[in-house]
Amino acid sequence: EVQVLESGGGLIQPGGSLRLSCAVSGFTFSRYALTWVRQAPGKGLEWVSAIIRGGSTFYAGSVQGRFTISRDNSKNMVYLHMNSLRAEDTAVYYCAIFGGGCRGGSCYSDWIDPWGQGTLVTVSS
Amino acid sequence: DIQMTQSPSTLSASVGDRVIITCRASQTLHTWLAWYQQKPGKAPQVLIYDASTLQSGVPSRFSGSGSGTEFTLTISSLQPDDFATYYCQQYNTYPTSFGQGTKVEIK
Repeated sequence: EVQVLESGGGLIQPGGSLRLSCAVSGFTFSRYALTWVRQAPGKGLEWVSAIIRGGSTFYAGSVQGRFTISRDNSKNMVYLHMNSLRAEDTAVYYCAIFGGGCRGGSCYSDWIDPWGQGTLVTVSS
Repeated sequence: DIQMTQSPSTLSASVGDRVIITCRASQTLHTWLAWYQQKPGKAPQVLIYDASTLQSGVPSRFSGSGSGTEFTLTISSLQPDDFATYYCQQYNTYPTSFGQGTKVEIK
């Protein structure tokens, strides 16, 4: 059974930094792409970032230049390094698996499954 | 970026009702569209992918259709477990994007 488990959320002041971690088990980690999706309190889903099996990374415009996604295939872990945090970054952050990749110089996204249970990040003074 | 618009935003229905949720895209998606169900305090779960393929384990009362820019999610006979919020997601291009959600409430 595939399991996805996020950690690292918490309360952080505006302008601060935080690293989220995501542990994945139950499948061949290195073969898959991973993604982060967030959900502000009472709001809808917002895609944040993705990293494909080859290591290429993708970001939403709202976090480009502030967030960095990385993966450690030896530990079956994916990370989201978040800098210059703002109040509008407050959300539950979900880590998830998806089938995105690149082929022939063109990169593609995919549907997302399974998801972790999420970790809450609160940016407030 | 592709914009996704769901309608309605809220839907009141009774057990046994047929429910239809619509998702429209600002550009063609071909059939690169998924539907998710989310219950309060829980992560989303995929119901449908590639516009009409039912994910394993999802009840057959759920179905998806459409291509291009207009898609629908149909629940043929609403069950108590189906009261939740539903989202569409396009994955035709980066950045992938979601609709704003449709909350299905008890009438």
